[in-house]
Amino acid sequence: DAGITQSPRHKVTETGTPVTLRCHQTENHRYMYWYRQDPGHGLRLIHYSYGVKDTDKGEVSDGYSVSRSKTEDFLLTLESATSSQTSVYFCAIAPGADTEAFFGQGTRLTVV
Amino acid sequence: DAKTTQPPSMDCAEGRAANLPCNHSTISGNEYVYWYRQIHSQGPQYIIHGLKNNETNEMASLIITEDRKSSTLILPHATLRDTAVYYCIVRESNTGNQFYFGTGTSLTVIP
Repeated sequence: DAGITQSPRHKVTETGTPVTLRCHQTENHRYMYWYRQDPGHGLRLIHYSYGVKDTDKGEVSDGYSVSRSKTEDFLLTLESATSSQTSVYFCAIAPGADTEAFFGQGTRLTVV
Repeated sequence: DAKTTQPPSMDCAEGRAANLPCNHSTISGNEYVYWYRQIHSQGPQYIIHGLKNNETNEMASLIITEDRKSSTLILPHATLRDTAVYYCIVRESNTGNQFYFGTGTSLTVIP
């Protein structure tokens, strides 16, 4: 899977608690992305990073923050989880701006 | 804003070629066409991409019309393992921008 590891793979959490998802890569790729996938919506971009400490918002960034302190790790944090953030989260990496992206296997998050 | 239009579903007989169409009539000159697929709830898998020339790799062929307003992904000999949702995506070059996934085409390969 192109050297991408998402952790945890499954998580159940309570409304109002903070949650951090981790994406770890061994490919030294510059670009990293966080998507969420919900029925009827396909995949939607939350945040992406184009280098260490360089991040930008995607189309559904409200309620989420990210950090990238080193090339290999891209963290997604839900500051205060809500039921609407129940989803499957995918991380992706890409070596360059004009290249294909490779996706991880996803994290299934349930907020109860 | 997916920028592409695909049929919601298609069937294909096992062993036959699967031809998946995609319309992208508003594509601009510096946008690439990418194809991905997603099997069950796995992460999307890259298949192929191109700018204006036809492309072929070990998985598939991509045929882009001369005006670039549409394309076709061809799986030459479909197998049951090709049953998946196929996404056609246009993406501006040299920006690192996101891949906009629409709802794709659900391809079912029939034995």
